[in-house]
Amino acid sequence: SYELTQPPSVSVSPGQTASITCSGDKLGDKYVCWYQQKPGQSPVVVIFQDTKRPSGIPERFSGSNSGNTATLTISGTQAMDEADYYCQAWDSRSYVFGTGTKVTVL
Amino acid sequence: EVEVVESGGGLVQPGGSLRLSCAASGFTFSVYEMNWVRQAPGKGLEWVSYISRSGVTIFYADSVKGRFTVSRDNTKKLLYLQMNSLRAEDTSVYYCARELSPESGLDVWGQGTTVTVSS
Repeated sequence: SYELTQPPSVSVSPGQTASITCSGDKLGDKYVCWYQQKPGQSPVVVIFQDTKRPSGIPERFSGSNSGNTATLTISGTQAMDEADYYCQAWDSRSYVFGTGTKVTVL
Repeated sequence: EVEVVESGGGLVQPGGSLRLSCAASGFTFSVYEMNWVRQAPGKGLEWVSYISRSGVTIFYADSVKGRFTVSRDNTKKLLYLQMNSLRAEDTSVYYCARELSPESGLDVWGQGTTVTVSS
């Protein structure tokens, strides 16, 4: 079965840039979405189709996808961005979620 | 307001059954594919099942195939997940999620309903 791997944690200082990677075989051939989940809350999509932001998602969130790696970048990270982040792709007949990354804003 | 609301969770013994429901409102339910996603305590997201707009096309994760059945009633704007032969490892928060498309992901999530499988 298809697998997506993320680093367990990423730490970032306020105002700096956080980059979260998501690795999978030929992931660049698929579309990737990214979800943010804060404690006790449901996931929210922050990036879809690799690079697109839903309405209401701040411009500091951006995405890219090429080769075997997709990346979610948070520019000018704010305290409110502290959360778990999951990548996700569609593989044949199933959705696949990444292992998740906890972003800590120090 | 566009929303989905899950219900039906609870405590069930191993080997037991439970049916989850998801009520949609604020959008035309029948034109959207729907999914169930679960999250075990302290763990990541796990996709469970997909159902097409008409209910004809259905997919399941290997971990639930043969035990869970997804269905929908477009006239009542309801999504269901019938869960049989439940195991301890099925203990999770179960989310109902609306799908824009496989490329665009899941754009509307419910608050989740908790299923605990324990004796």
